[in-house]
Amino acid sequence: GEDVEQSLFLSVREGDSSVINCTYTDSSSTYLYWYKQEPGAGLQLLTYIFSNMDMKQDQRLTVLLNKKDKHLSLRIADTQTGDSAIYFCAGLIYNQGGKLIFGQGTELSVKP
Amino acid sequence: NAGVTQTPKFQVLKTGQSMTLQCAQDMNHNSMYWYRQDPGMGLRLIYYSASEGTTDKGEVPNGYNVSRLNKREFSLRLESAAPSQTSVYFCAGGDGYEQYFGPGTRLTVT
Repeated sequence: GEDVEQSLFLSVREGDSSVINCTYTDSSSTYLYWYKQEPGAGLQLLTYIFSNMDMKQDQRLTVLLNKKDKHLSLRIADTQTGDSAIYFCAGLIYNQGGKLIFGQGTELSVKP
Repeated sequence: NAGVTQTPKFQVLKTGQSMTLQCAQDMNHNSMYWYRQDPGMGLRLIYYSASEGTTDKGEVPNGYNVSRLNKREFSLRLESAAPSQTSVYFCAGGDGYEQYFGPGTRLTVT
């Protein structure tokens, strides 16, 4: 089955760019997602990319997809303290009721 | 438009007690999902319902049952709670390729 892996922690300075990485095993994932979770809150859908795309940009967020290496990344430009949160990547298994397979989450800490 | 709502927000149970977690969505989504989140792990799918009247097991269904009461509501029942079920439970609604999550229920089983 699908397995999704992320590094657990990332620390950056305010104003720097952050890059959060994710690898996945199942190339049948049709969509790949980034969710943000702030302390004590639910998951907020940040952005997603369809598996036939290489890149998607949405304001400060850039998603890169390398299908050959099964690698997904999320770049946050001009990182702010409000970006401190846990970021989850997830793959969608569309032919199984649309279920999501999540990575463990990367805790992003932004220092002023 | 509240999106996905869950009740209760917090619950403490003793081992062996039963309870039902409630979830409702007002986005007219066909599919609904129950996940659990444990420290250091991503969310894991417990059960899902692709449409009203259908339910299917996810990765970790043991110890749980679900009911898709109507299109809006999808409940998760613990018949005999165990400490291993201490977790944060998230409900989600979605169609196609987008899923929207509720705020979660934090459950502790002692």
